Amino acid sequence: NAGVTQTPKFRILKIGQSMTLQCTQDMNHNYMYWYRQDPGMGLKLIYYSVGAGITDKGEVPNGYNVSRSTTEDFPLRLELAAPSQTSVYFCASSYSQGSGNQPQHFGDGTRLSIL
Amino acid sequence: TQLLEQSPQFLSIQEGENLTVYCNSSSVFSSLQWYRQEPGEGPVLLVTVVTGGEVKKLKRLTFQFGDARKDSSLHITAAQPGDTGLYLCAGFHTGAGSYQLTFGKGTKLSVIP
Repeated sequence: NAGVTQTPKFRILKIGQSMTLQCTQDMNHNYMYWYRQDPGMGLKLIYYSVGAGITDKGEVPNGYNVSRSTTEDFPLRLELAAPSQTSVYFCASSYSQGSGNQPQHFGDGTRLSIL
Repeated sequence: TQLLEQSPQFLSIQEGENLTVYCNSSSVFSSLQWYRQEPGEGPVLLVTVVTGGEVKKLKRLTFQFGDARKDSSLHITAAQPGDTGLYLCAGFHTGAGSYQLTFGKGTKLSVIP
């Protein structure tokens, strides 16, 4: 009964390095999301996907890329890490979102520091 | 960008007290969700309200959606230390290609034993 699993849980990067944050869900949800959470700022949507092969930008997509080759996986890529990308990153999934009634299920987050 | 304002930002109360937190917007939402987030974990859904004026109860928690579907409140009766956490409201807009929840900044609640 894993739900949404994110790896790694913690990571420290140097400026200019790249990395991929992994997210996988075992609930057969079509919709998946990436958020970042900064202190006192709530959750901001980075990218989302409504199904395999389909992705779209959210509110704060600059500096990030995503792919969705399978229903289960939705990795987030940082190509050139910058200090402004220091944050806690959450992946979430939902069965659908057409009516707004479906809950989003969140992973436990990846805490990323860029130094 | 549709904004959701939550108040208060921080709240520290004694065990047994009652409290209300608010979620307000100038925009109309088709539905609104409340989540609770504990340190080191992701948010967990508490409730979804859909109809203007709707009231839902979850044990000691009472959620209300405003008649105009622009605001919501969460009332906790006889708060307990286990209620400590970050409470987030999130509004959903319908519309072509709209699959986004807009989150408020949250209310950080501390219940002191």
